[in-house]
Amino acid sequence: DAGVIQSPRHEVTEMGQEVTLRCKPISGHDYLFWYRQTMMRGLELLIYFNNNVPIDDSGMPEDRFSAKMPNASFSTLKIQPSEPRDSAVYFCASTLGGVWQPQHFGDGTRLSIL
Amino acid sequence: AQKVTQAQTEISVVEKEDVTLDCVYETRDTTYYLFWYKQPPSGELVFLIRRNSFDEQNEISGRYSWNFQKSTSSFNFTITASQVVDSAVYFCALLPGFGNEKLTFGTGTRLTIIP
Repeated sequence: DAGVIQSPRHEVTEMGQEVTLRCKPISGHDYLFWYRQTMMRGLELLIYFNNNVPIDDSGMPEDRFSAKMPNASFSTLKIQPSEPRDSAVYFCASTLGGVWQPQHFGDGTRLSIL
Repeated sequence: AQKVTQAQTEISVVEKEDVTLDCVYETRDTTYYLFWYKQPPSGELVFLIRRNSFDEQNEISGRYSWNFQKSTSSFNFTITASQVVDSAVYFCALLPGFGNEKLTFGTGTRLTIIP
């Protein structure tokens, strides 16, 4: 079975550019999560969706960040404009049935903003 | 407020030794879930175990075992007869009760198994 698929695996871009991270959850899963991992702050939940609806976006750092889930098999996380402090590994995870269920993580996108 | 403390930042042991990773949590909720995840050098996070607050039974899975003690708010993880493949960063995480549904991760323990 295919796991959570994230693209790209690596992204290097210049400050001010728009960045789009993509995620395909496991088929049938009804929860999708976006996390950010940095050395300073560890793993942080940015936002999560249930049945494509954003439930909690309180972890989104600021208005430069936005996330969408247009259908059950695709989600995007956008940063516009990007800043060097956005450099991190961004993970997407999905699960079925509830937030208390084990989450299945993608391989992550390593983002570097120059 | 919810908090997970993994006081051991890094641990190194020689292969075949046993090692215990500590996890202490704080929550005011009576219903909560505890998790352990493994992050190998390749980077992805892999689910290891989930425990709910009403189940204090210890669990064993092969060389892995977990000790959940509500009295000390701890959920420790032991690897018996460690192997090089166990080298990874291990995260403990807490999901508080209903109405506050964010998984809070500890800062992780980097485990290195020396061949």
